[in-house]
Amino acid sequence: SQQGEEDPQALSIQEGENATMNCSYKTSINNLQWYRQNSGRGLVHLILIRSNEREKHSGRLRVTLDTSKKSSSLLITASRAADTASYFCATAGLIQGAQKLVFGQGTRLTINP
Amino acid sequence: NAGVMQNPRHLVRRRGQEARLRCSPMKGHSHVYWYRQLPEEGLKFMVYLQKENIIDESGMPKERFSAEFPKEGPSILRIQQVVRGDSAAYFCASSTDRANTGELFFGEGSRLTVL
Repeated sequence: SQQGEEDPQALSIQEGENATMNCSYKTSINNLQWYRQNSGRGLVHLILIRSNEREKHSGRLRVTLDTSKKSSSLLITASRAADTASYFCATAGLIQGAQKLVFGQGTRLTINP
Repeated sequence: NAGVMQNPRHLVRRRGQEARLRCSPMKGHSHVYWYRQLPEEGLKFMVYLQKENIIDESGMPKERFSAEFPKEGPSILRIQQVVRGDSAAYFCASSTDRANTGELFFGEGSRLTVL
Protein backbone atom coordinates (compact mmCIF):
# COMPACT_ATOMS: atom_id res chain seq x y z
CA SER A 1 0.00 0.00 0.00
CA GLN A 2 1.14 3.49 -0.78
CA GLN A 3 -0.82 4.99 2.07
CA GLY A 4 0.87 7.64 4.14
CA GLU A 5 0.91 7.45 7.89
CA GLU A 6 1.00 10.59 9.97
CA ASP A 7 2.66 10.91 13.32
CA PRO A 8 1.53 11.91 15.87
CA GLN A 9 -2.18 11.12 15.57
CA ALA A 10 -2.96 14.06 17.84
CA LEU A 11 -0.95 17.08 18.92
CA SER A 12 -1.88 19.80 21.40
CA ILE A 13 0.34 22.86 21.87
CA GLN A 14 0.17 26.42 23.11
CA GLU A 15 -0.42 29.31 20.78
CA GLY A 16 2.85 30.70 19.50
CA GLU A 17 4.69 27.38 19.64
CA ASN A 18 5.78 25.48 16.56
CA ALA A 19 3.94 22.34 15.46
CA THR A 20 5.66 19.50 13.63
CA MET A 21 3.83 16.65 11.95
CA ASN A 22 5.44 13.72 10.18
CA CYS A 23 4.33 11.50 7.35
CA SER A 24 5.76 8.20 6.14
CA TYR A 25 4.85 6.35 2.97
CA LYS A 26 5.77 3.09 1.30
CA THR A 27 6.20 3.38 -2.47
CA SER A 28 7.88 5.67 -4.98
CA ILE A 29 6.08 8.95 -5.46
CA ASN A 30 5.74 11.71 -8.00
CA ASN A 31 4.87 14.27 -5.36
CA LEU A 32 3.62 14.59 -1.80
CA GLN A 33 0.95 17.03 -0.75
CA TRP A 34 -0.34 18.35 2.57
CA TYR A 35 -3.96 19.25 3.16
CA ARG A 36 -5.85 20.78 6.04
CA GLN A 37 -9.39 19.95 7.14
CA ASN A 38 -11.38 22.01 9.59
CA SER A 39 -14.04 20.10 11.51
CA GLY A 40 -17.00 19.29 9.30
CA ARG A 41 -15.47 20.88 6.20
CA GLY A 42 -13.73 19.83 3.04
CA LEU A 43 -9.97 19.60 2.57
CA VAL A 44 -7.89 22.57 1.60
CA HIS A 45 -4.59 22.17 -0.22
CA LEU A 46 -1.62 23.64 1.64
CA ILE A 47 1.53 22.74 -0.22
CA LEU A 48 2.92 20.32 -2.81
CA ILE A 49 6.50 19.09 -2.86
CA ARG A 50 7.86 17.16 -5.80
CA SER A 51 10.04 14.09 -5.48
CA ASN A 52 13.13 16.00 -6.66
CA GLU A 53 12.66 18.72 -4.02
CA ARG A 54 13.91 18.52 -0.45
CA GLU A 55 12.30 21.54 1.18
CA LYS A 56 9.58 24.02 0.44
CA HIS A 57 8.19 27.06 2.24
CA SER A 58 4.85 28.81 2.12
CA GLY A 59 4.24 31.55 4.68
CA ARG A 60 4.44 29.91 8.12
CA LEU A 61 4.60 26.44 6.60
CA ARG A 62 7.75 24.49 5.94
CA VAL A 63 7.70 21.07 4.33
CA THR A 64 10.61 18.69 3.97
CA LEU A 65 10.84 15.52 1.94
CA ASP A 66 13.33 12.69 2.35
CA THR A 67 12.75 10.18 -0.43
CA SER A 68 15.48 7.85 0.89
CA LYS A 69 13.53 7.48 4.13
CA LYS A 70 10.16 7.84 2.43
CA SER A 71 9.12 10.51 4.88
CA SER A 72 7.99 14.11 5.00
CA SER A 73 7.41 16.65 7.72
CA LEU A 74 5.16 19.68 7.99
CA LEU A 75 6.23 22.48 10.32
CA ILE A 76 3.86 25.26 11.28
CA THR A 77 5.71 28.10 12.95
CA ALA A 78 4.25 30.58 15.44
CA SER A 79 0.98 28.65 15.66
CA ARG A 80 -2.36 30.40 16.02
CA ALA A 81 -5.70 29.22 17.39
CA ALA A 82 -7.02 29.29 13.82
CA ASP A 83 -4.50 26.56 12.89
CA THR A 84 -6.57 24.06 14.90
CA ALA A 85 -7.56 21.42 12.34
CA SER A 86 -6.66 17.98 11.02
CA TYR A 87 -3.68 17.79 8.70
CA PHE A 88 -3.27 15.08 6.09
CA CYS A 89 -0.42 14.10 3.87
CA ALA A 90 -1.24 12.59 0.49
CA THR A 91 1.02 10.86 -1.96
CA ALA A 92 0.74 10.77 -5.73
CA GLY A 93 2.12 7.62 -7.28
CA LEU A 94 4.92 7.44 -9.78
CA ILE A 95 3.97 4.39 -11.75
CA GLN A 96 1.81 4.54 -14.84
CA GLY A 97 -1.85 4.55 -13.93
CA ALA A 98 -1.30 5.51 -10.29
CA GLN A 99 -3.21 8.69 -10.83
CA LYS A 100 -4.94 9.07 -7.50
CA LEU A 101 -3.90 10.75 -4.27
CA VAL A 102 -3.64 8.37 -1.32
CA PHE A 103 -4.25 9.99 2.06
CA GLY A 104 -2.95 9.15 5.49
CA GLN A 105 -4.99 9.01 8.67
CA GLY A 106 -4.16 12.57 9.64
CA THR A 107 -2.85 14.48 12.62
CA ARG A 108 -5.40 16.34 14.76
CA LEU A 109 -3.77 19.57 15.83
CA THR A 110 -5.16 21.64 18.68
CA ILE A 111 -3.75 25.09 19.43
CA ASN A 112 -4.58 26.26 22.93
CA PRO A 113 -4.96 30.02 23.40
CA ASN B 1 -15.25 31.16 -10.04
CA ALA B 2 -17.25 28.82 -7.85
CA GLY B 3 -15.46 25.97 -6.15
CA VAL B 4 -16.41 22.31 -6.22
CA MET B 5 -20.10 22.08 -5.41
CA GLN B 6 -21.56 19.04 -3.71
CA ASN B 7 -25.16 18.37 -2.88
CA PRO B 8 -26.89 17.46 -0.80
CA ARG B 9 -24.70 18.44 2.15
CA HIS B 10 -26.64 16.11 4.41
CA LEU B 11 -28.69 13.10 3.41
CA VAL B 12 -30.63 10.70 5.61
CA ARG B 13 -31.74 7.36 4.22
CA ARG B 14 -33.29 4.23 5.67
CA ARG B 15 -31.70 0.87 5.08
CA GLY B 16 -32.50 -0.42 1.60
CA GLN B 17 -33.07 2.99 0.03
CA GLU B 18 -30.90 4.61 -2.61
CA ALA B 19 -28.56 7.55 -2.11
CA ARG B 20 -27.48 9.86 -4.94
CA LEU B 21 -24.69 12.31 -4.33
CA ARG B 22 -23.89 15.00 -6.86
CA CYS B 23 -20.69 16.86 -7.59
CA SER B 24 -20.09 19.77 -9.94
CA PRO B 25 -16.35 20.26 -10.47
CA MET B 26 -14.69 23.62 -10.70
CA LYS B 27 -15.07 25.34 -14.04
CA GLY B 28 -12.52 24.03 -16.48
CA HIS B 29 -11.78 20.88 -14.48
CA SER B 30 -12.31 17.60 -16.28
CA HIS B 31 -10.95 15.21 -13.63
CA VAL B 32 -13.19 14.15 -10.74
CA TYR B 33 -12.35 12.02 -7.70
CA TRP B 34 -14.64 10.60 -5.02
CA TYR B 35 -13.40 9.81 -1.51
CA ARG B 36 -15.11 8.43 1.58
CA GLN B 37 -14.27 9.49 5.12
CA LEU B 38 -15.37 7.79 8.31
CA PRO B 39 -15.33 9.82 11.58
CA GLU B 40 -11.83 10.51 12.88
CA GLU B 41 -10.25 8.78 9.89
CA GLY B 42 -8.51 9.74 6.68
CA LEU B 43 -9.97 9.78 3.21
CA LYS B 44 -10.29 6.52 1.32
CA PHE B 45 -10.12 6.71 -2.47
CA MET B 46 -13.17 5.37 -4.27
CA VAL B 47 -13.15 6.32 -7.94
CA TYR B 48 -11.49 8.60 -10.49
CA LEU B 49 -13.42 9.77 -13.55
CA GLN B 50 -12.93 11.94 -16.56
CA LYS B 51 -15.79 13.08 -18.77
CA GLU B 52 -17.80 9.98 -19.76
CA ASN B 53 -15.03 7.63 -18.59
CA ILE B 54 -14.22 5.77 -15.40
CA ILE B 55 -10.44 5.77 -15.16
CA ASP B 56 -9.84 4.02 -11.84
CA GLU B 57 -12.54 2.43 -9.70
CA SER B 58 -10.25 0.30 -7.59
CA GLY B 59 -11.64 1.77 -4.36
CA MET B 60 -15.29 1.18 -5.14
CA PRO B 61 -17.11 -1.69 -3.44
CA LYS B 62 -18.00 -4.30 -6.03
CA GLU B 63 -21.71 -4.15 -5.33
CA ARG B 64 -24.28 -1.39 -4.81
CA PHE B 65 -21.90 1.49 -5.65
CA SER B 66 -21.61 3.17 -9.02
CA ALA B 67 -20.32 6.47 -10.35
CA GLU B 68 -20.66 8.45 -13.53
CA PHE B 69 -19.47 11.72 -14.99
CA PRO B 70 -21.61 12.45 -18.04
CA LYS B 71 -20.73 14.78 -20.88
CA GLU B 72 -23.21 17.28 -19.50
CA GLY B 73 -24.06 17.75 -15.84
CA PRO B 74 -22.52 16.80 -12.54
CA SER B 75 -20.76 13.65 -11.49
CA ILE B 76 -23.04 11.27 -9.58
CA LEU B 77 -22.11 8.75 -6.91
CA ARG B 78 -24.95 6.30 -6.48
CA ILE B 79 -25.36 3.89 -3.59
CA GLN B 80 -28.13 1.37 -3.93
CA GLN B 81 -29.77 -0.51 -1.04
CA VAL B 82 -27.85 1.43 1.57
CA VAL B 83 -26.73 -0.21 4.80
CA ARG B 84 -25.66 1.38 8.07
CA GLY B 85 -22.01 0.87 7.21
CA ASP B 86 -22.42 3.29 4.31
CA SER B 87 -22.84 6.16 6.77
CA ALA B 88 -19.91 8.46 6.12
CA ALA B 89 -18.87 11.74 4.58
CA TYR B 90 -18.36 11.52 0.83
CA PHE B 91 -16.03 14.06 -0.70
CA CYS B 92 -15.63 15.00 -4.31
CA ALA B 93 -12.50 16.65 -5.66
CA SER B 94 -11.61 17.99 -9.07
CA SER B 95 -8.47 19.00 -10.91
CA THR B 96 -7.31 20.24 -14.27
CA ASP B 97 -4.95 17.32 -14.66
CA ARG B 98 -4.16 13.96 -13.14
CA ALA B 99 -3.74 13.99 -9.35
CA ASN B 100 -0.17 12.86 -9.55
CA THR B 101 0.78 16.13 -11.21
CA GLY B 102 -1.04 18.73 -9.14
CA GLU B 103 -3.39 19.61 -6.34
CA LEU B 104 -6.99 18.60 -5.88
CA PHE B 105 -9.79 21.00 -5.06
CA PHE B 106 -12.33 19.55 -2.65
CA GLY B 107 -15.99 20.17 -2.10
CA GLU B 108 -17.51 20.48 1.38
CA GLY B 109 -18.72 16.91 1.31
CA SER B 110 -22.03 15.08 1.52
CA ARG B 111 -22.76 13.47 4.86
CA LEU B 112 -24.84 10.34 4.53
CA THR B 113 -26.62 8.91 7.55
CA VAL B 114 -28.31 5.54 7.20
CA LEU B 115 -30.95 4.78 9.81
